[in-house]
Amino acid sequence: AQSVTQPDIHITVSEGASLELRCNYSYGATPYLFWYVQSPGQGLQLLLKYFSGDTLVQGIKGFEAEFKRSQSSFNLRKPSVHWSDAAEYFCAVGEAGNNNDMRFGAGTRLTVKP
Amino acid sequence: DTGVSQNPRHKITKRGQNVTFRCDPISEHNRLYWYRQTLGQGPEFLTYFQNEAQLEKSRLLSDRFSAERPKGSFSTLEIQRTEQGDSAMYLCASSFPGLADSEAQYFGPGTRLLVL
Repeated sequence: AQSVTQPDIHITVSEGASLELRCNYSYGATPYLFWYVQSPGQGLQLLLKYFSGDTLVQGIKGFEAEFKRSQSSFNLRKPSVHWSDAAEYFCAVGEAGNNNDMRFGAGTRLTVKP
Repeated sequence: DTGVSQNPRHKITKRGQNVTFRCDPISEHNRLYWYRQTLGQGPEFLTYFQNEAQLEKSRLLSDRFSAERPKGSFSTLEIQRTEQGDSAMYLCASSFPGLADSEAQYFGPGTRLLVL
């Protein structure tokens, strides 16, 4: 079964600094990979997704992620963080053609310092 | 707004009471999912429907939990004889395989349940 690890529970960055959130997955075949963002007390908003093709995917709000099969990683990046990016970020993996069983990581909480 | 909606947004109940939550998916989406999220964790899959058929249930879904989607549109999740351990955020998501964006699930705002 697929699984997701987000090694960093909490990250603090200064506003304007670059950001990278790590995600490692375990899955035997080609995974479908997702990043979601959740503000306190809210549902999850899809930032970006990878199904196939170009391994560098662009998302909303200036985020991008790169799929690296050799490292089983799908790290999320943003070149310049804004205060409004403070939230919880979840990486998720699903199975191609059977995405009902999507597995989420435990999340990384991002704090942005002024 | 044509996103996923959930009602109520918050529910406080006493242990032993029954509660029911509603989810209205994006209108053209035929798949609907329920997740549970506890504090500090990612969402955990509970069950999903394709149209009105409930196709999979997680082992997390005990006998006290039941979900329905009678007409293939909105869905309800009922918890009977609630326990304090049921306190969590209950999230609903929907998707429509077959569209270019097929495998992405879109989430509602969630229903936060507190069992006293």
